Amino acid sequence: GIQVEQSPPDLILQEGANSTLRCNFSDSVNNLQWFHQNPWGQLINLFYIPSGTKQNGRLSATTVATERYSLLYISSSQTTDSGVYFCAVDYKLSFGAGTTVTVRA
Amino acid sequence: DAGVIQSPRHEVTEMGQEVTLRCKPISGHDYLFWYRQTMMRGLELLIYFNNNVPIDDSGMPEDRFSAKMPNASFSTLKIQPSEPRDSAVYFCASSSVPGGEGKNIQYFGAGTRLSVL
Repeated sequence: GIQVEQSPPDLILQEGANSTLRCNFSDSVNNLQWFHQNPWGQLINLFYIPSGTKQNGRLSATTVATERYSLLYISSSQTTDSGVYFCAVDYKLSFGAGTTVTVRA
Repeated sequence: DAGVIQSPRHEVTEMGQEVTLRCKPISGHDYLFWYRQTMMRGLELLIYFNNNVPIDDSGMPEDRFSAKMPNASFSTLKIQPSEPRDSAVYFCASSSVPGGEGKNIQYFGAGTRLSVL
């Protein structure tokens, strides 16, 4: 199956800081989603982004399919951004291990 | 739409008991997926259905696990007999027919946290 690697595994931010999360995948894909798992365990869809760039408020994502990576940008982080961010690829969604983000006030 | 609905939210049972988890997908979605999340293995696909038919069950860990989808609005995941190592969060997700911008998106339920004592 497709291997998905996320980095960094953990990220601690001061409120207001910007950050970049990375997702590398081992084969070409036609589906890539970013999720946020909040402290209550719920998986929230952030982006469906098999290629290109999208923005939603303070979050944006870019996928370079030919180079097999995707980036998630968090700008002006807030404490509510805390949680685990997952990248998942392929139609059956192979998940990476996630990046745990902690935003401190 | 209320989204993907799972029940129960929490389940505590004793080893050897039968456990049934339930899922109602988003209306109109043709694909339904069951995932399991553990600390050791992360999020992994167990099985998925298309138009109520199981398509790929290669992720089902063993014969103690079974899943059914009797109609387009309901699916169950059953563990019989349950074991402590089955303790995990089980998620159900649904999506519409893949293809085209925005269609191949999986939406997840809130999950069922299972504890087998």
